[in-house]
Amino acid sequence: AQKVTQAQTEISVVEKEDVTLDCVYETRDTTYYLFWYKQPPSGELVFLIRRNSFDEQNEISGRYSWNFQKSTSSFNFTITASQVVDSAVYFCALSEATGASGGSYIPTFGRGTSLIVHP
Amino acid sequence: EPEVTQTPSHQVTQMGQEVILRCVPISNHLYFYWYRQILGQKVEFLVSFYNNEISEKSEIFDDQFSVERPDGSNFTLKIRSTKLEDSAMYFCAGRTGTSFLGGYTFGSGTRLTVV
Repeated sequence: AQKVTQAQTEISVVEKEDVTLDCVYETRDTTYYLFWYKQPPSGELVFLIRRNSFDEQNEISGRYSWNFQKSTSSFNFTITASQVVDSAVYFCALSEATGASGGSYIPTFGRGTSLIVHP
Repeated sequence: EPEVTQTPSHQVTQMGQEVILRCVPISNHLYFYWYRQILGQKVEFLVSFYNNEISEKSEIFDDQFSVERPDGSNFTLKIRSTKLEDSAMYFCAGRTGTSFLGGYTFGSGTRLTVV
C-alpha cells in the first residue's frame, strides 16, 4: 500500500531562515504523483505542486523549491527566506496512477508538518 | 481561478441528527472525493465518486455515510446519525479525467461539530 511519511511534526524558525520539510514515500507503482498542500490556520487546503514519477527535475517557484529524488523516495520542500505568512501545516501526498497497490489515483496524505515562523 | 465550493463552512449538529454537506465541483471535473480531517490529525480519504457511483471507499465510510450527485452539479455527503467522533473538517475534492494537470482541487472545507 502507498504510504507517506512526514517525520517532522513541527518546525519552528525565525523569519528569513530557510527551512526544509521532508517527505518520504513508499509505493510499488512505477507511475505515481506527488503533491504538496498548504493548510493555513483558516483550514483550507491549498495546492502547491504536483510532480509525476517520470519527472525528477527540481522545481523552483519564487521562494519555494522542491527536490524530488526517486533513489531515496523523497520529495522535500524548501522555503527560502521564510516569512510569517508561511506559518501553516504542510501536507505531502502520494497518488498511484496504475492502482497496482490498490491506489486507484486516490491521494494518501502524510500526517503533515506544522511550520511556525516567528517574526 | 475555478474553485470547489463547499457549504456550509461550519455546521453544528446534535448527536444522532442527520447532516448533509454540500460541494459544488469545478465544471470540468469528473472524479470527486470526500476527505475528512479530525482536528490536528491527518487528512483521511473517505470516498471517491465517478460516473454517478462510488468507485472506492475507505473503512471510515460505513453505512452511516452516503454520497450522491443528484442534479449533476452538487456533490453531497450525508451522515445519517452523527456521532461525537464525526466532528471533523470535511473536504470535497475533484479532478479532471486527464493527467492530473493542476492536481486535485480541494474545497475550503466544512467544519462539522457534533455536540
